[in-house]
Amino acid sequence: GDSVTQMEGPVTLSEEAFLTINCTYTATGYPSLFWYVQYPGEGLQLLLKATKADDKGSNKGFEATYRKETTSFHLEKGSVQVSDSAVYFCALSDEDSGYSTLTFGKGTMLLVSP
Amino acid sequence: EAQVTQNPRYLITVTGKKLTVTCSQNMNHEYMSWYRQDPGLGLRQIYYSMNVEVTDKGDVPEGYKVSRKEKRNFPLILESPSPNQTSLYFCASSLSPQVNTEAFFGQGTRLTVV
Repeated sequence: GDSVTQMEGPVTLSEEAFLTINCTYTATGYPSLFWYVQYPGEGLQLLLKATKADDKGSNKGFEATYRKETTSFHLEKGSVQVSDSAVYFCALSDEDSGYSTLTFGKGTMLLVSP
Repeated sequence: EAQVTQNPRYLITVTGKKLTVTCSQNMNHEYMSWYRQDPGLGLRQIYYSMNVEVTDKGDVPEGYKVSRKEKRNFPLILESPSPNQTSLYFCASSLSPQVNTEAFFGQGTRLTVV
């Protein structure tokens, strides 16, 4: 079945540092890939997505590129802020019996200090 | 404002006492689902609904029931809660079950069963 593997956290960075959160996936079909972010006390919200190979999703300074050859969708940001502290979930959506399901990774907590 | 609303946000109950967590969305979405979030396990899907009167099991359906009598509402029912159902629960909706469709999440319900 489908699965998503993310690097374990917490990831602790100083403000303005470069961020990478690794994500790899296994899927039977041609999935769409997502990064969701969960701020403290809130639900998940979509950060960015990519729907086909070589697509780059971007939002709020975050980027991720859909790499089919390495089955990866790593999240990057050039300069993190304290306000980026949150839990980040990599996810994929794959058709199965005519409908899509979202499969999530376990989440990576990011802590950014001033 | 487009949103998914869950109630209650926090609930402490005793083993065996039936409870219902409500979920409502105002975006006329077809697809709704319930997840539970546990430390180290990420989000796991409990049940989903493709449309009114159409529901099906997700990955961890045991001990839960759902109904979809109206398009906007998708309550989660625990007929006889047990301590292993202590978790953080999220309702989500999306316009359709297509693979590249964004999911919108509620703010979560933190349930403790003692």
